[in-house]
This record gives sequence, structure tokens and C-alpha cells, in this order.
Amino acid sequence: DAGITQSPRHKVTETGTPVTLRCHQTENHRYMYWYRQDPGHGLRLIHYSYGVKDTDKGEVSDGYSVSRSKTEDFLLTLESATSSQTSVYFCASHGTSGINEQFFGPGTRLTVL
Amino acid sequence: QKEVEQDPGPLSVPEGAIVSLNCTYSNSAFQYFMWYRQYSRKGPELLMYTYSSGNKEDGRFTAQVDKSSKYISLFIRDSQPSDSATYLCAIPPRGAQKLVFGQGTRLTINP
Repeated sequence: DAGITQSPRHKVTETGTPVTLRCHQTENHRYMYWYRQDPGHGLRLIHYSYGVKDTDKGEVSDGYSVSRSKTEDFLLTLESATSSQTSVYFCASHGTSGINEQFFGPGTRLTVL
Repeated sequence: QKEVEQDPGPLSVPEGAIVSLNCTYSNSAFQYFMWYRQYSRKGPELLMYTYSSGNKEDGRFTAQVDKSSKYISLFIRDSQPSDSATYLCAIPPRGAQKLVFGQGTRLTINP
């Protein structure tokens, strides 16, 4: 299994504060992704990266930014958290060979009060 | 219209039943089709995938694609309580390094 970790695993914050979630992978995968998962919506792509410093928006990118300064790390920042961003956030990665099998981290449960 | 639609359930069946999980998709350019399984409070994991129309079998699991109807199915035979999870279909758009996920169906197998 790909080694993907996320930190923190749980976070409670207040509306208007900035929040950064970290994803770390040890598989030297080129592609990395941030999703949010909400009841009734499944997994929705926020942003993804196709290499160091190369990122692109997904379907629900408003209010989020990302950075990737190293292959192994992909950061997701909520610039000013809102209650609508309360969700479970998953990071995923995959390499360049074969099918697009994405390996997921354990998730971060974020609550914005 | 969403690219991939999946009935979110929940679906509850007795142990030993045959389970059918389904998705529909709108874009005929999709090349292969995937099913992920997600246990409670865990990240999703790839269960199986199939490239073309027809069936692919892996133990008690069968994935089926009908490209003419734009319909994919996952069948679970002799269902077990350990199969209780959320099942998500996922489809990669041609030429894109992304996946489009269905909403996921939460399945419970009752002993």
C-alpha cells in the first residue's frame, strides 16, 4: 500500500480563521489530489497537482488554495474557514504507470464553528 | 447532469444475499471503470476495475459494464457482514489524470 498520511486527523476551528491541512506520501507519486466528502455528494475534487509547483483546480475549489513545493507534500489551505467547509478531507496520490489507481490517506475531519 | 450518478442508498440486506450496486454515466468517452470500497472512517481503496463492456469477476465480486446503456454494476455474491461499507464507482475522463466519483452507496449486511 502507498504510504499516505494526513495531518491533523481532526480539527475544530472558528469561522474566519485560516486552516492548513497537510498530506505526505512516501511513494514518489507524481499526482496528488485533495477531495472533500459530504453526505449525498460523494467525493468531490478540490485541487490536484501533476508535479512540483504544478496545480490545477477541481470542481469545488472556491475558498481553497494548495501548494506543492516537494514531491512528497501537498498542502491544502482554507484561507478564511466557513461553516460550509465543515467536511471530511481526503488526500490521494498515484504514479504515472497503469490505470489511475488513487491511493487515499486516512482523512481529516474538519469542523468549522 | 452530473457525469456519474449513483444511488446513495442506504442499502441493507441479510447475510448471504446477492447485492447489486449501480451507476450511470453521461460521457461515452470513458475508457475504464472502477469500484472503490470505503470502510467507516477510512479512506477509499480500489476494489476492482474493468476496461470494456462485459463482466470481470474477482472472487465474490463481479463488475459489469454496459456501454450502450452507459450503466455499470457491481454484484456481490454470498454477501458477508465484512462487506458492509460504502461503495463508490469512479470513472477517469479520457486524457485526464482525474477521477469522477459517484455519490457512493452505503451498504450494510446484517448477520
